[in-house]
Amino acid sequence: EPEVTQTPSHQVTQMGQEVILRCVPISNHLYFYWYRQILGQKVEFLVSFYNNEISEKSEIFDDQFSVERPDGSNFTLKIRSTKLEDSAMYFCASSAQDYGYTFGSGTRLTVV
Amino acid sequence: KNEVEQSPQNLTAQEGEFITINCSYSVGISALHWLQQHPGGGIVSLFMLSSGKKKHGRLIATINIQEKHSSLHITASHPRDSAVYICAVRRNRDDKIIFGKGTRLHILP
Repeated sequence: EPEVTQTPSHQVTQMGQEVILRCVPISNHLYFYWYRQILGQKVEFLVSFYNNEISEKSEIFDDQFSVERPDGSNFTLKIRSTKLEDSAMYFCASSAQDYGYTFGSGTRLTVV
Repeated sequence: KNEVEQSPQNLTAQEGEFITINCSYSVGISALHWLQQHPGGGIVSLFMLSSGKKKHGRLIATINIQEKHSSLHITASHPRDSAVYICAVRRNRDDKIIFGKGTRLHILP
């Protein structure tokens, strides 16, 4: 069964450093999403991406965050200058239509 | 008030028991998802519903649009079913996905 692949599975970074979280969505999917889950809290929507541009973003997705689909297969989330409160599990998801999702297994980001 | 409420928050049951997890929502939706989050954190999509009932193996999901309620049932539960089960809805007015807080299920052998 096709999978959404996320790398790395765990990243530890110093506060203030830039991080890039990588996702390989399912190849024929057109819609891409990033979500995050702070430990012990519920999953929160960050951003959706369609047709090479952001289609929607949440209040969490401020200027520190950016997304890219650099080569037609990868979908990346960049955090420019990480803060302690960015520590969370980050999930990528993709869908063929704008409602059925396949999630990746997540990247656990720890900012120290 | 949360737009998506799940009950119970935590559930412990013996292997073999029939499990029901409930989800109520207060907004107009176009779809409802049931997700399973493994102890390691990974999320798996179990069902996407817009009406009626779906079955996959020992899992059954139902939705009542008029009552704004959905249930996830697990028949013949097994310790490997232990996980957090999350209800998420796609809100009509802005297409945003709103997540419930999840139900932590623990099945004892």
